Amino acid sequence: GEKVEQHESTLSVREGDSAVINCTYTDTASSYFPWYKQEAGKSLHFVIDIRSNVDRKQSQRLIVLLDKKAKRFSLHITATQPEDSAIYFCAASSGGYKLTFGTGTSLLVDP
Amino acid sequence: GPKVLQIPSHQIIDMGQMVTLNCDPVSNHLYFYWYKQILGQQMEFLVNFYNGKVMEKSKLFKDQFSVERPDGSYFTLKIQPTALEDSAVYFCASRRQFSNERLFFGHGTKLSVL
Repeated sequence: GEKVEQHESTLSVREGDSAVINCTYTDTASSYFPWYKQEAGKSLHFVIDIRSNVDRKQSQRLIVLLDKKAKRFSLHITATQPEDSAIYFCAASSGGYKLTFGTGTSLLVDP
Repeated sequence: GPKVLQIPSHQIIDMGQMVTLNCDPVSNHLYFYWYKQILGQQMEFLVNFYNGKVMEKSKLFKDQFSVERPDGSYFTLKIQPTALEDSAVYFCASRRQFSNERLFFGHGTKLSVL
């Protein structure tokens, strides 16, 4: 089955800098890649997603890149703010029922 | 926005007892999920439910686990009997379409098995 690896377990950046979180997946049939944010003790909130028919998507300060050949996708947060501090989860779906999550990246934005 | 509600937020029970976790999915959603998270770590897929049936389940979905949604009421996860390793936060999620669409998550039920 699908395996999603999230490469950075922790990431620390200064406020205003960019943060990049990288994920890889194994199933070449995967076609949907969402990102979720989880603040301490809270639920997962959808952040942004990308589908395999495009290789880049931007929503305000968030950019997602998808490299299907390398089976890699990444989340770029530009102009980071302290409220961006949270755990970020990448996920992948091959069009089946389930979403497979990465192990999470704890992002800390230092003011 | 659309909300998934979970009841209760925290449940404490003794090992061996039965527990039922309740989820009220988004009203027009058709696909329902349970995920398990231990200590704020990885979200582990347990089960997906559609049209009254389990469509897919993982190895974590042990024989002691069951799910149902009788007559459009709560979507429930029942564990009987519970074990110490069942202690975790259980998240319910739902989505409208089969795939390639975001999941909406509830706030989770923290289950503590003593």
